[in-house]
Amino acid sequence: GQSLEQPSEVTAVEGAIVQINCTYQTSGFYGLSWYQQHDGGAPTFLSYNALDGLEETGRFSSFLSRSDSYGYLLLQELQMKDSASYFCALKGAAGNKLTFGGGTRVLVKP
Amino acid sequence: KAGVTQTPRYLIKTRGQQVTLSCSPISGHRSVSWYQQTPGQGLQFLFEYFSETQRNKGNFPGRFSGRQFSNSRSEMNVSTLELGDSALYLCASSLAGGQGSAKNIQYFGAGTRLSVL
Repeated sequence: GQSLEQPSEVTAVEGAIVQINCTYQTSGFYGLSWYQQHDGGAPTFLSYNALDGLEETGRFSSFLSRSDSYGYLLLQELQMKDSASYFCALKGAAGNKLTFGGGTRVLVKP
Repeated sequence: KAGVTQTPRYLIKTRGQQVTLSCSPISGHRSVSWYQQTPGQGLQFLFEYFSETQRNKGNFPGRFSGRQFSNSRSEMNVSTLELGDSALYLCASSLAGGQGSAKNIQYFGAGTRLSVL
């Protein structure tokens, strides 16, 4: 099977940088995705890494290292609206099935 | 373009009853996946349908079933409801077929919150 571990909660102030780590165990996978979910809202796609390295999308960047079974999401220039839960997810099979980590709740303080 | 639509948004049922949830994907999307979200277990994959065929299935009992229609709309059914089935049920659609490592953005609906009493 597959399993992913994330910290449960991170707190930071506006303007700061936050890194959310995701370690995983799997026998094989195609890529690692990141989703954001505000309280009461639907998960929304942020980033995807199929290959090792950094993917940058505006204030958000995601990194993958297959040799270390590790990835992270970097949130820069934190804003109050970034307060949400962030999930890493493995695409490990043909099709669109995603296996999610437990999620990291990010709290941004003024 | 309309997003993923799930109905109903809220549902209250009692133990032993059955329930049917509906999902209308984004126009043109042929892949529909269902997830269960609970505080204790997080987001768990239920099943995926693509072109009316179940392509992947998660580790849920047979009480959980689904189907997809020719217009890509999907329904999931839970029979003999248990208290532990109380959860937010999320539907996600994707334009991509999910081949290999191709980016597969999943677009989620707002979910159906099911409460079993």
